[in-house]
Amino acid sequence: EADIYQTPRYLVIGTGKKITLECSQTMGHDKMYWYQQDPGMELHLIHYSYGVNSTEKGDLSSESTVSRIRTEHFPLTLESARPSHTSQYLCASRSGGSEQFFGPGTRLTVL
Amino acid sequence: GQQVMQIPQYQHVQEGEDFTTYCNSSTTLSNIQWYKQRPGGHPVFLIQLVKSGEVKKQKRLTFQFGEAKKNSSLHITATQTTDVGTYFCAGGNDYKLSFGAGTTVTVRA
Repeated sequence: EADIYQTPRYLVIGTGKKITLECSQTMGHDKMYWYQQDPGMELHLIHYSYGVNSTEKGDLSSESTVSRIRTEHFPLTLESARPSHTSQYLCASRSGGSEQFFGPGTRLTVL
Repeated sequence: GQQVMQIPQYQHVQEGEDFTTYCNSSTTLSNIQWYKQRPGGHPVFLIQLVKSGEVKKQKRLTFQFGEAKKNSSLHITATQTTDVGTYFCAGGNDYKLSFGAGTTVTVRA
């Protein structure tokens, strides 16, 4: 069983609020990723990190930001949530060229 | 950048029948991985193929990597209701994976 955690699992919030989605892994993986996915649809990479103090934007433009101050922690922040941000956000981690482990996801609804 | 295309997008299968989903890349892949996402769940790793022409089996699932390392396939025999979900292929390198759009499988009992 993969040791990668996301909180909260579900979040309903009003427009304009600032939110932070948490992601932690205890596997010591250097690479971490954030994906946005609508139900049953493809995975869109929005941010990734190759290690501490490394962050890159993904293939899908996103208004969110990330930080990587510690190896195990890769939080995603939305400064001002909008209804268009409603989606599922999946965090993942990986070591080298091995399999990628996904967290359980955060389902975000912005009213 | 690298793109991985996956077909079909949807596969409706009668229980007990076989089906295949295909993955194609515009560039040569160093390896390809397959994931399964159950409805309401998150993607879970199934297998990785590395060698040209490699074939691997997991019970009723057969995975194949093309000779040119630009395509891959997943064949499921005797489909069961437990096979329901979305199957993603992913190609890439040690740094980043490029995921296909997925094949969503539904099963008619």
